[in-house]
Amino acid sequence: EVQLVESGGGLVQPGGSLRLSCAASGFTFSSYWMHWVRQAPGKGLVWVSRINSDGSSTSYADSVKGRFTISRDNAKNTLYLQMNSLRAEDTAVYYCATSSSSPYNWFDPWGQGTLVTVSS
Amino acid sequence: ENVLTQSPATLSLSPGERATLSCRASQSVSSYLAWYQQKPGQAPRLLIYDASNRATGIPARFSGSGSGTDFTLTISSLEPEDFAVYYCQQRSNWYTFGQGTKLEIK
Repeated sequence: EVQLVESGGGLVQPGGSLRLSCAASGFTFSSYWMHWVRQAPGKGLVWVSRINSDGSSTSYADSVKGRFTISRDNAKNTLYLQMNSLRAEDTAVYYCATSSSSPYNWFDPWGQGTLVTVSS
Repeated sequence: ENVLTQSPATLSLSPGERATLSCRASQSVSSYLAWYQQKPGQAPRLLIYDASNRATGIPARFSGSGSGTDFTLTISSLEPEDFAVYYCQQRSNWYTFGQGTKLEIK
């Protein structure tokens, strides 16, 4: 069974940092593109970042460019999102998802999400 | 940015009724559109991809249609478990989602 499990969320002050993790199982993680998508409380879904299978190519939404860094450890089957200079508007549930072996596939499946709250 | 506009924002129907949800793109996305279902406290689940293909395990009462800028998700006969929020998403130009349609029990 394909499974994605996020962790690392929590309460952080504005300007602070947090690193999210997404542990993958049930598929060949090292062959798949991975993404982070977030959802502010009561709001819709927003794509945040993507990384290719070997970690050599990354992309970001303009809203997080320069502050967030996506990475992966294929030996540990784990995806990361390093979030720096956090703002109140970064408060959201963060989901990891895969688009299989191409960036041009759909997001399936998704993890259950981890909540990040940026507040003083 | 390719903006996706979903309508209506809320749809109130009864079990057994037919549901029709709309998604309109500000620029053509060809057939690169998907629909996701999200229930409270859960992650989104892929229902329809490439505008009209059902994802694995999705019941036949769910169908999608459209191309270019206008798309429709139809649920032929609502089951109690279908009441949720539905999002459309395009991957023609990066990735954007619609704002969602809440399907609620009347």
